[in-house]
Amino acid sequence: EDKVVQSPLSLVVHEGDTVTLNCSYEVTNFRSLLWYKQEKKAPTFLFMLTSSGIEKKSGRLSSILDKKELSSILNITATQTGDSAIYLCAVEFLSSNTGKLIFGQGTTLQVKP
Amino acid sequence: SAVISQKPSRDICQRGTSLTIQCQVDSQVTMMFWYRQQPGQSLTLIATANQGSEATYESGFVIDKFPISRPNLTFSTLTVSNMSPEDSSIYLCSALLRTNYGYTFGSGTRLTVV
Repeated sequence: EDKVVQSPLSLVVHEGDTVTLNCSYEVTNFRSLLWYKQEKKAPTFLFMLTSSGIEKKSGRLSSILDKKELSSILNITATQTGDSAIYLCAVEFLSSNTGKLIFGQGTTLQVKP
Repeated sequence: SAVISQKPSRDICQRGTSLTIQCQVDSQVTMMFWYRQQPGQSLTLIATANQGSEATYESGFVIDKFPISRPNLTFSTLTVSNMSPEDSSIYLCSALLRTNYGYTFGSGTRLTVV
């Protein structure tokens, strides 16, 4: 059965801390791994990773994929209260020639001032 | 940037009634996807909506409960039928608008069934 597992499920840190969120997967016909940030209802796109070992960066956020270990990490440095959100990992796979997403449970991050 | 508009944003409905959620994309897309996010849970794919053919439903979801329409390449609706409190969730539509930029999600519909 295809699955995506995130850890930790929740995390409380103080402003300025660095956090690392983990995502592991077992999926057939893997195409890509995506990270999203969900603050209210709609998840917003952060990163899409297809190749192993290539880090993607956007400001204080970075992510990397390890296809040998079937995992990815999302790093957030110098955290701010605005980083408080649910971070979702999703894996895109091919099913009947259609790309589909399977999501992990999410990591709820709370950044305290 | 490309946008997906979804409405209603929220609704409170009586059990036994039905609600239709609309999703409008500002560009033509082949596939649109409908997700459910139950309270405290992650997103679960309900079905894939293809223009010109019947929607493809995931295990555990059936057409009688979640009928979907896809009349053209920019629009889709999801109906939640004969609602019960267990249907209280956030419902999201999604599409792949730009390659390498992930799947974009609509603004979501928060449904409460009383």
